[in-house]
Amino acid sequence: DTEVTQTPKHLVMGMTNKKSLKCEQHMGHRAMYWYKQKAKKPPELMFVYSYEKLSINESVPSRFSPECPNSSLLNLHLHALQPEDSALYLCASSLDTFNEKLFFGSGTQLSVL
Amino acid sequence: LAKTTQPISMDSYEGQEVNITCSHNNIATNDYITWYQQFPSQGPRFIIQGYKTKVTNEVASLFIPADRKSSTLSLPRVSLSDTAVYYCLVAYNAGNNRKLIWGLGTSLAVNP
Repeated sequence: DTEVTQTPKHLVMGMTNKKSLKCEQHMGHRAMYWYKQKAKKPPELMFVYSYEKLSINESVPSRFSPECPNSSLLNLHLHALQPEDSALYLCASSLDTFNEKLFFGSGTQLSVL
Repeated sequence: LAKTTQPISMDSYEGQEVNITCSHNNIATNDYITWYQQFPSQGPRFIIQGYKTKVTNEVASLFIPADRKSSTLSLPRVSLSDTAVYYCLVAYNAGNNRKLIWGLGTSLAVNP
């Protein structure tokens, strides 16, 4: 199984809503990532988890809250988002944080109204 | 200043070979150069990775000169389904940290 599965595929939320994005991989990878991607731009790193511990937070606003319940799962909790947060949110995994061979999910297309 | 530079767009025709070059002047000494393909509304997909000289797999070849300040992704005999955005990804040393920098992407259009 070489897949990273993300749910939901699409999400529309208001600025006062709380929602969560989910990501799952069963490749035994110990590094997991959240990226944000705007149209016609490269992916922008948000968070990195290494062995289930948060190792990198790229100065992401606190309205985004990551969680890694176990080595296969990664969540991104969303609260009080702004319209400019609308983007494609991508989860990725790799063997470890020193490996640039990333496996990406299909992403969650998020619209904040 | 770490920067990964690649052409914004390229056009080609079916059956041609396409070469996309990425410049990465300050690449970290011990890190690989990695290329990804991305279709609309999907996550990037790994294509190929290399450290030096030439790497080939069933999809592409990657050419890296000795100074490693650039790399060239070569797609042989492209088809319409190769129309996508191609990104190079390179690691740089930023003080005591290691930072991955994505190129801005090359939008390849393959025409019939």
